[in-house]
Amino acid sequence: DAKTTQPNSMESNEEEPVHLPCNHSTISGTDYIHWYRQLPSQGPEYVIHGLTSNVNNRMASLAIAEDRKSSTLILHRATLRDAAVYYCILRRGGGNSGNTPLVFGKGTRLSVIA
Amino acid sequence: GAVVSQHPSWVICKSGTSVKIECRSLDFQATTMFWYRQFPKQSLMLMATSNEGSKATYEQGVEKDKFLINHASLTLSTLTVTSAHPEDSSFYICSAPWGGGSNEQFFGPGTRLTVL
Repeated sequence: DAKTTQPNSMESNEEEPVHLPCNHSTISGTDYIHWYRQLPSQGPEYVIHGLTSNVNNRMASLAIAEDRKSSTLILHRATLRDAAVYYCILRRGGGNSGNTPLVFGKGTRLSVIA
Repeated sequence: GAVVSQHPSWVICKSGTSVKIECRSLDFQATTMFWYRQFPKQSLMLMATSNEGSKATYEQGVEKDKFLINHASLTLSTLTVTSAHPEDSSFYICSAPWGGGSNEQFFGPGTRLTVL
């Protein structure tokens, strides 16, 4: 799997938007961009994923650069419950890719200040 | 969304004993499950892939005789840490992929193992 680069940590004020960047310059054409987050002492949870177009769901938005070499996870209004480690992961798509494991990098630790 | 459970959520054991951790997919079937280990302040490290009806696939550096994996059914995988030692103390997390063409994976809540 291609590598991703994320800042080690970020800080946000509560109720403000947060933009979490991820660089993936070696992404291949069939790689999906996945975001998971891990709250303290819990297993990771799925946030969002996309291939080329920007994606929105109830948790967040994913903005993907036109060249796909970077992406940004957007939390529209950070709450204290959003404090977690956010992982940007590339995963090859197609075929039986659902049965392949996720490979985690170091992620970005997001702190939310009240 | 789909739910993956783990049992126990935490366990403390003496050095030299064996500990079994269960991972269950509660409302979907999973022919494949994954086991991860996470040390404090570190990321998740993949240990092995558990396959229903066949042997598990271990990552390089993970001792298959120490970390026994059994995928007994389409909803249950177990990880047994044999002859546990203090360095095995860690947070163990399992995951299962959701079928139906989705790439989403569901993770269990984790099991914290402390070996005294």
